[in-house]
Amino acid sequence: AQSVTQLGSHVSVSEGALVLLRCNYSSSVPPYLFWYVQYPNQGLQLLLKYTSAATLVKGINGFEAEFKKSETSFHLTKPSAHMSDAAEYFCAVSENGNKLVFGAGTILRVKS
Amino acid sequence: DSGVTQTPKHLITATGQRVTLRCSPRSGDLSVYWYQQSLDQGLQFLIQYYNGEERAKGNILERFSAQQFPDLHSELNLSSLELGDSALYFCASSVEGGGSYEQYFGPGTRLTVT
Repeated sequence: AQSVTQLGSHVSVSEGALVLLRCNYSSSVPPYLFWYVQYPNQGLQLLLKYTSAATLVKGINGFEAEFKKSETSFHLTKPSAHMSDAAEYFCAVSENGNKLVFGAGTILRVKS
Repeated sequence: DSGVTQTPKHLITATGQRVTLRCSPRSGDLSVYWYQQSLDQGLQFLIQYYNGEERAKGNILERFSAQQFPDLHSELNLSSLELGDSALYFCASSVEGGGSYEQYFGPGTRLTVT
């Protein structure tokens, strides 16, 4: 079965600093990978997805992620954090073309 | 706004009761997914429907059932509720049922079982 590991349940950065949220996956076949963001008391919003067209994927709100097959990683980055980026971020892999398997989530805190 | 709607937003009920959660997918989406989010289990896939037919099943309890109607809206039925069923229940939809298609999530229904 496919699985996702998000390193760091909490990440804290200063406003303007680089954001790096880590995601590693396990899959026996080329995966479809996604990053979602969840703001308090809201649903999940899709940030970006990887579907093998390009290894560097650009998403909304200035986020991007790079697929590295050799490292089985799909880390999420943003060059400069904004206060509005404070939220919980989930990495997910699509299994068997149906369900999403989610990581445990990383709560991002942005300090002023 | 993802275009996926869920009702009700909040639900408080007692143990042993039965509730129905409703989801309307985005216009044009044929596939509906149900997920449960809890503090101890995280986000777990429950079940998927595609154009009215059950397509995939996850860790869904036998006390839970779902269906997708001809107008493509879906309902998740939870019966004989237990305290541990308290969670956020999300519905998501996608155009097709394949893995490359992104899923759009509704705002969720927060279920509290007392």
